[in-house]
Amino acid sequence: GAGVSQSPSNKVTEKGKDVELRCDPISGHTALYWYRQSLGQGLEFLIYFQGNSAPDKSGLPSDRFSAERTGGSVSTLTIQRTQQEDSAVYLCASSRVLFRTGLNSPLHFGNGTRLTVT
Amino acid sequence: KQEVTQIPAALSVPEGENLVLNCSFTDSAIYNLQWFRQDPGKGLTSLLLIQSSQREQTSGRLNASLDKSSGRSTLYIAASQPGDSATYLCAVRPLLYNFNKFYFGSGTKLNVKP
Repeated sequence: GAGVSQSPSNKVTEKGKDVELRCDPISGHTALYWYRQSLGQGLEFLIYFQGNSAPDKSGLPSDRFSAERTGGSVSTLTIQRTQQEDSAVYLCASSRVLFRTGLNSPLHFGNGTRLTVT
Repeated sequence: KQEVTQIPAALSVPEGENLVLNCSFTDSAIYNLQWFRQDPGKGLTSLLLIQSSQREQTSGRLNASLDKSSGRSTLYIAASQPGDSATYLCAVRPLLYNFNKFYFGSGTKLNVKP
């Protein structure tokens, strides 16, 4: 696709329910990131996927959060037993990896999923 | 841990003014620094990326500079327009530890008045 696609764009859920957020990165981008942006706050790193390597999960705030990336493309972020403090915009980003240097090109972000837990 | 600060948090200027947005970071061991803009309800759009070996990057009316030793970057916007109104964020990528993470500032919300 032309850009990073995220769905749904908005999600309202009741406290205690599970939610699943989806990210479809730009074709050919092997690096994929999930970030969380709370109102008036900077972006908080959640998880990073690079090709077939083990993901960097060091930013996940609790064991209620998990993410997977199937076939090196689409990623889903799952939040179990949602709490009100989980309300935020969840942003996905992808980038190419420059294999000669092993380093990434610019990050490209999706429009995010606004999650509201009532 | 790397900390990124952007001052001011908000800025309002009349159309046509040249302006400078500031980004500072505590650990100078960075690989690159990237500037983004974010429109309300949208994701982040990449504006400029500066590698640590570079001093500046230019794109149209935008110029970003990097002074690694002092832990600072500036984004210069020439001849500002109402369409430039958005939140501008900077992000640094560490050179060594936590290499996969970009650390973001909280942003500067810019309002350009017609």
